[in-house]
Amino acid sequence: AQSVTQLDSHVSVSEGTPVLLRCNYSSSYSPSLFWYVQHPNKGLQLLLKYTSAATLVKGINGFEAEFKKSETSFHLTKPSAHMSDAAEYFCVVSGNGGFKTIFGAGTRLFVKA
Amino acid sequence: EAGVAQSPRYKIIEKRQSVAFWCNPISGHATLYWYQQILGQGPKLLIQFQNNGVVDDSQLPKDRFSAERLKGVDSTLKIQPAKLEDSAVYLCASSLVQGANTGELFFGEGSRLTVL
Repeated sequence: AQSVTQLDSHVSVSEGTPVLLRCNYSSSYSPSLFWYVQHPNKGLQLLLKYTSAATLVKGINGFEAEFKKSETSFHLTKPSAHMSDAAEYFCVVSGNGGFKTIFGAGTRLFVKA
Repeated sequence: EAGVAQSPRYKIIEKRQSVAFWCNPISGHATLYWYQQILGQGPKLLIQFQNNGVVDDSQLPKDRFSAERLKGVDSTLKIQPAKLEDSAVYLCASSLVQGANTGELFFGEGSRLTVL
């Protein structure tokens, strides 16, 4: 069975400060993990993905995530937040062959000027 | 490259009425997904097609929801009769290869359904 837990429903940061969005997963397989971003009234866009290669994954717009098997975590980070980063972020776990792709409940990121 | 197209963007109906949503995936994408996203929640997979065959429909409420992808290209999701709890955004996604762990999912902008 697979599951994914996003530990914060809302995160608020000031512009220029670091961003940390937390995600823990559970999987019976070696999982593939993703982060997607959803801006208001827009479709979901892939930020980055982990598929058993390098554990530190770099994505678009300066985001990166580190796969930690011992902690079953895949936290999303960015050194310096920008106003345009304000959006909903989803952590996603997928099993072998892509079956049972599970989305987390989402974390809404607020960026203050 | 054209993205995933969905229509209509918005639909308001009364309970017990029917509604249909249409999705045209990116050209050449074999796998097509329909997700339901209720306000404040993450998307939930309703059905996954590989070409015109169903791969996973375990979370599709089959008493009222149906979906088809007859020619392995575009797809239609139907709800009949609608209930209040069906109010949600219905997202269509496609991928070049089967499964999110071997390829990126490309999402449409969604169809927002309000059931009164």
